[in-house]
Formats: sequence, C-alpha cells, structure tokens
Amino acid sequence: AQSVSQHNHHVILSEAASLELGCNYSYGGTVNLFWYVQYPGQHLQLLLKYFSGDPLVKGIKGFEAEFIKSKFSFNLRKPSVQWSDTAEYFCAVSSGNTGKLIFGQGTTLQVKP
Amino acid sequence: ETGVTQTPRHLVMGMTNKKSLKCEQHLGHNAMYWYKQSAKKPLELMFVYNFKEQTENNSVPSRFSPECPNSSHLFLHLHTLQPEDSALYLCASSQPSGGARETQYFGPGTRLLVL
Repeated sequence: AQSVSQHNHHVILSEAASLELGCNYSYGGTVNLFWYVQYPGQHLQLLLKYFSGDPLVKGIKGFEAEFIKSKFSFNLRKPSVQWSDTAEYFCAVSSGNTGKLIFGQGTTLQVKP
Repeated sequence: ETGVTQTPRHLVMGMTNKKSLKCEQHLGHNAMYWYKQSAKKPLELMFVYNFKEQTENNSVPSRFSPECPNSSHLFLHLHTLQPEDSALYLCASSQPSGGARETQYFGPGTRLLVL
C-alpha cells in the first residue's frame, strides 16, 4: 500500500533559520506531490505541487520543494523562516488514475520570534 | 478565501443524536471528498464523490452516511456516534481530470465532539 512518511513531527526554529522538512513516499510509479499548510485556526492551504517537469518547485510565501525520484523524496525548504510560518505542514501524494491523496502525519513547525 | 465552506464549524453531540455536516464548494468542481483529521494521525480519506456518484468508501462505519445531491453540495449525516469519532472533519473539492493531476481545495472543517 502507498504511504507517506514525514520524519520530523515537531520542529522548533528561531526566526531567520533555514527550514527543511522531510517527506518520503512509497510508490514506484508516476506520482504527483503536494505540500499543504494549516495555520492555527485556519483551513488546509496548498503551498506547492509537483506534477512533472523541473523537480525544483517554488510555492507561495518563499517555500520550495525538490522532487528526488531516486530517493522517493519531496522535501520542503525555506531559506529563512518567519514567526508567521508557525503552522502544521502536510505532505501528500497521489498516483494512478485518481486524485486520491495519501497524507503524511504532518509536521508541526514552531518559529520563535 | 470562500472556495469551500463548511457548516457548522463546531458541533457537540451526544451518542444518541443525529446531526448533519454540510459542505459547499463555489469552485465549479465535480469531485468532493470527506476526510477525518484526528490528533497525531494522518488525514484519513472517508468518501469520494465524482459527478454526484460515490466512487470511494474507505471502510467507513455505517454510522457515517454521506449524501451528494449535486456537484456543489456534500453532506455527512451522523447517527449514534462514538466518542472516538470526535475529530475535525474536512471537506475538499477538485476538478476530475481523468488522471491524478488534480488539486484538492479544502474547507475549514467541522470540529466535532461526541460526548
């Protein structure tokens, strides 16, 4: 069965620190990859997505993610975090002929001012 | 952002009550989804509707009964729930594209507490 693994469950950073959140998936075929963010009290929002093409994807708010097929990974990065980036981040994967999403457990990011 | 709305936002119910959650999407999409989000667990897909037809039931107990009267509205009818059903219930929508290149847009969720 397909699965998505986010290794960091809780990350605490100071403002201006660099961020990298890990995401690995288990599926050998063509995949579509997503990062969603859930700010406190708000709904899930799409940060970025990868369907094909350039494996380095840029999203909103200065986030980017790199698809490394050989490592089955889609890690999320931001060079300098802000206090407003405090949120929960979810990696998700879809594959095959459906839009069915498989989500990781989520990573809670806390940015200290 | 008001693309996908859900009501109510909070709900407290007893185990013998019957209630319904409502979801409406204003994006012109034809696929709608119900997810359950529990603490410390991945989002769990519950149901999928494509063009008003249920295409997936992810082994959800029958005390949860979905209804999709049209492509814009999705309901989740609840009856005789258990305390472990307390969670955030999320609705999402997408535009089916015949492949997996669909982006789902989520509503704010209904926070459900079963006493």
